[in-house]
Amino acid sequence: GAGVSQSPRYKVAKRGQDVALRCDPISGHVSLFWYQQALGQGPEFLTYFQNEAQLDKSGLPSDRFFAERPEGSVSTLKIQRTQQEDSAVYLCASSGTSGVNEQFFGPGTRLTVL
Amino acid sequence: GENVEQHPSTLSVQEGDSAVIKCTYSDSASNYFPWYKQELGKRPQLIIDIRSNVGEKKDQRIAVTLNKTAKHFSLHITETQPEDSAVYFCAAKGYQKVTFGIGTKLQVIP
Repeated sequence: GAGVSQSPRYKVAKRGQDVALRCDPISGHVSLFWYQQALGQGPEFLTYFQNEAQLDKSGLPSDRFFAERPEGSVSTLKIQRTQQEDSAVYLCASSGTSGVNEQFFGPGTRLTVL
Repeated sequence: GENVEQHPSTLSVQEGDSAVIKCTYSDSASNYFPWYKQELGKRPQLIIDIRSNVGEKKDQRIAVTLNKTAKHFSLHITETQPEDSAVYFCAAKGYQKVTFGIGTKLQVIP
């Protein structure tokens, strides 16, 4: 079946703009994760959902970052008043039941803030 | 929280030689250790993983070892090929959160 998809694949924003990044997980996957990957670095955890519940948002760098998954499937990561340091690839991953470990990654959204 | 350290940051080997990447973790509650391969501009792909109740796992040319006492785990690639060139990330997972290492850029020289 289809893997994890993300849109847009590339986003250029002017500093101060709001952006919304979408993640479509693998159908039926309960868990969904957002990561931020800066150039030359490993993915950094942002937040985690189990179904529609956001169980961990400890990695969100500021209150400008907000994520939601209202129906327990598609998720949106919103960044308000973008700043240059927000430039990174934002990766989404999903996994099956809470007892399953493997996470499947989407292709990422490359955000460039000018 | 969990802290994962990975080294070396870059590694060059001749085709056919072996490559070893080492990681340490800090949280004894971590119980799952995946390794991902990421090619330039692509998504991370799981290549092998190991759970805390196992000391070693092998899949063809790739093997992973885990020392829970020392909180060390390592990736071994034998008979390297040019297509193995990529960035490799180790990671450690507790309940759900996954913490990644900084990555190792492996270059296999033909």
